[in-house]
Amino acid sequence: DIQMTQSPSSLSASVGDRVTITCRASQTISTYLNWYQQKSGQAPKLLISGAFNLQSGVPSRFSGGGSGPDFTLTISSLQPEDFAVYYCQQSYNTPRTFGQGTKVEIK
Amino acid sequence: QVQLQQWGAGLLKPSETLSLTCAVSGGSFSDYYWSWIRQPPGKGLEWIGEVHPSGSPTYSPSLSSRVTISVDSSKNQFSLELRSVTAADTAVYFCARVPNWDLSLAFWGQGTLVTVSS
Repeated sequence: DIQMTQSPSSLSASVGDRVTITCRASQTISTYLNWYQQKSGQAPKLLISGAFNLQSGVPSRFSGGGSGPDFTLTISSLQPEDFAVYYCQQSYNTPRTFGQGTKVEIK
Repeated sequence: QVQLQQWGAGLLKPSETLSLTCAVSGGSFSDYYWSWIRQPPGKGLEWIGEVHPSGSPTYSPSLSSRVTISVDSSKNQFSLELRSVTAADTAVYFCARVPNWDLSLAFWGQGTLVTVSS
């Protein structure tokens, strides 16, 4: 199985801060890297697919970057509605594994 | 807009079989893969498996001996069966649509909490 390692596991930030979350794949995944946002009690929501492709309706303050094995999710200016847990996932191979999640909390 | 509506029993006893169904509306059924994912309380996401209506399902190796994912294209539905459940299978189970160009989990069902308890 491909292991996906996210860092940090949690972070505390203020509204307006720039936030970056990193995801490292244990082997090559090309750009089959997806980012999800999950708010408490809700299903995850796809933010970015294919490492860089912002999904329709997702604010432009979210961006994906990097190249294997390290990928990043950046929030350019953190908003109150962005406090959530973020997961990366590789869709290069099965089983399609997830990172352990990064909880973004209010400072 | 695509909608995924899922249902199934929420309380099971150990050794019973978990059975969930996900109905798809508002989009093509035959052009996508369909997936199941689960999330134990307070923990991260675990991919269970996926299926394309014209192909065979693929399962997580850790669950493959107990899981079946099936498709009913006449009803635009797909289902999850997990046999011989234990307390470790207690989780919120989600269904999701998977586009074949990037294999992401693009749209999700609302989730079903399944609790296994004697």
